[in-house]
Amino acid sequence: DIQMTQSPSSLSASVGDRVTITCRASQSITRYLNWYQQKPGKAPKLLIYVVSSLQSGVPSRFSGSGSGTDFTLTISSLQPEDFATYYCQQSYSPPYTFGQGTKLEIK
Amino acid sequence: VQLVESGGGLVQPGGSLRLSCAASGFIFSSYSMHWVRQAPGKGLEWVSYISSSSSTIYYADSVKGRFTISRDNAKNSLHLQMNSLRAEDTAVYYCAMRRDSGSYWYFDLWGRGTLVTVSS
Repeated sequence: DIQMTQSPSSLSASVGDRVTITCRASQSITRYLNWYQQKPGKAPKLLIYVVSSLQSGVPSRFSGSGSGTDFTLTISSLQPEDFATYYCQQSYSPPYTFGQGTKLEIK
Repeated sequence: VQLVESGGGLVQPGGSLRLSCAASGFIFSSYSMHWVRQAPGKGLEWVSYISSSSSTIYYADSVKGRFTISRDNAKNSLHLQMNSLRAEDTAVYYCAMRRDSGSYWYFDLWGRGTLVTVSS
């Protein structure tokens, strides 16, 4: 099974900060990497697919990069509505594993 | 365009439950579907996958042999039959639609989830 490891597990930041979340796969997943945002009590929401493609309606302050085993999600200037938990997910092979999540909190 | 899960509830260890997911607003028969769960206060865990024609099915090791995924394209519905339930199966269960992008894919549409609690 492919293990997905996110870092950090939690992060405190302020509105306007630039934030980067890292996701590492235990083996190469080429570009089969998606990012989701989840707010408390809500279903996850797709942010970025295939490493760097922004889902329709997602603000351009979100961006993704990487390939192989190392990937990043960057939020260029944090907004109040961005405080949530973020998950990476590999779609390379089953089981289609998620990272453990990164909880982004207000400093 | 939506997915609506139902069938969750409280069940004793060793018991069974059948979850359903009603799809609307899109051509359900054209899309592969998944179940994903989330234990209270924990992260997301992929559970099972079924292709659009039901020809391909996958399960997480944690549920293999106990859970069965199925779909009824005529009724726009997805199901998860859960048997031999354990306390560790307690979670919110989401159905999610897979959207393909070339050879890649992602979870494009999620339901709101249904809570399954396994406890005596």
